[in-house]
Amino acid sequence: NTVMTQSPTSMFISVGDRVTMNCKASQNVGTNVDWYQQKTGQSPKLLIYGASNRYTGVPDRFTGSGSGTDFTLTISNMQAEDLAVYYCLQYNYNPNTFGAGTKLELK
Amino acid sequence: QVTLKESGPGILQPSQTLSLTCSFSGFSLSTYGMCVGWIRQSSGKGLEWLANIWWNDDKYYNPSLKNRLTISKDTSNNQAFLKITNMDTADTATYYCARRWAYYGYAFWGQGASVTVSS
Repeated sequence: NTVMTQSPTSMFISVGDRVTMNCKASQNVGTNVDWYQQKTGQSPKLLIYGASNRYTGVPDRFTGSGSGTDFTLTISNMQAEDLAVYYCLQYNYNPNTFGAGTKLELK
Repeated sequence: QVTLKESGPGILQPSQTLSLTCSFSGFSLSTYGMCVGWIRQSSGKGLEWLANIWWNDDKYYNPSLKNRLTISKDTSNNQAFLKITNMDTADTATYYCARRWAYYGYAFWGQGASVTVSS
């Protein structure tokens, strides 16, 4: 299976910060990576597909980048409503595999 | 408007078979490139992809569940199904169905069905 290693596990941030989180694949997955946001008690929400394509309605402060094995999700100008757990997912291989998540918490 | 909703038994005993239904609207699973997937999440844990079924009836499973999974669909009634045999307490989780269209990501999710395995 393709292992998706997310880092860091958690981050303490302030409103207005620029936040960068990473996802590393154990093998080349091309650009077949999504990023999801999950707030407490809610279903996951798609932010980024195909590594760098922002989904409809997602604020432009969310940016995805990367290819091959290394991927990054950046939130510029962090907002309080962005407090959540963020997951990457590779769908290049079956089984599709999620990272373990990066939790954003207030400093 | 795309919606999905999972339904299941809520609680079942170890060794029983879990049957989940995903009832959806706003799209057809016969449309080229369309897919419904099942993903679960144990309390306080991360997301685990379980299975996909595509518009052309291609099916993919997570081998970590060791052939316990069966995914199917009823295109006419806009439903997808997941069966998991030989349920264990470790399978206690919230089970989600989600729609994927080609490479556009799982853009639509159900609210999740809570399943507890307990004797």
